[in-house]
Amino acid sequence: DARVTQTPRDKVTEMGQEVTMRCQPILGHNTVFWYRQTMMQGLELLAYFRNRAPLDDSGMPKDRFSAEMPDATLATLKIQPSEPRDSAVYFCASGLVLGQGAGELFFGEGSRLTVL
Amino acid sequence: GEDVEQSLFLSVREGDSSVINCTYTDSSSTYLYWYKQEPGAGLQLLTYIFSNMDMKQDQRLTVLLNKKDKHLSLRIADTQTGDSAIYFCAENQGRRALTFGSGTRLQVQP
Repeated sequence: DARVTQTPRDKVTEMGQEVTMRCQPILGHNTVFWYRQTMMQGLELLAYFRNRAPLDDSGMPKDRFSAEMPDATLATLKIQPSEPRDSAVYFCASGLVLGQGAGELFFGEGSRLTVL
Repeated sequence: GEDVEQSLFLSVREGDSSVINCTYTDSSSTYLYWYKQEPGAGLQLLTYIFSNMDMKQDQRLTVLLNKKDKHLSLRIADTQTGDSAIYFCAENQGRRALTFGSGTRLQVQP
């Protein structure tokens, strides 16, 4: 049963601390996305990768956020330093994107981040 | 997302039909999608429609697309309590990532 795996599921931290969220995409998928979900903003695209290369990270605050794919089985999203306004659920999604369609995205269960 | 708009809440009685509406702005969208999110979970694809289609039916789900008005709807027939969730409309703009609406929370009353 292939699925996207995210860790941690829940993280509570204090302002100023570094937070790293990890995602294992589904094997064979060529595209990985990071979305952030909040009540006020809904689902926001932070960054995405195709074949491990970053395609778009314009939705991400560059001064504190960074996203990488060190290999095909791991995507990371790091926040340093974290701030209370970063509190949200962070979703990783992967998909096999061909042609013009974005294809079906498979979402992980999310990492709920609370920054105090 | 600001490019895709949905009403925030819909309440229906079990057995009735639900209709969730969505408007989008990008006429170059190739595919339009409906995703479902249950509490504490990620989003799951329900159905999608190619932009040159007007309608797609999949069991209890019917998607209608009015490309002229940039309006998309999802009809759920015989709505069940298990259909209670948040429903997201999404569009893809060429090869870019999906842009999601704010989601419509569907509440099904027994």
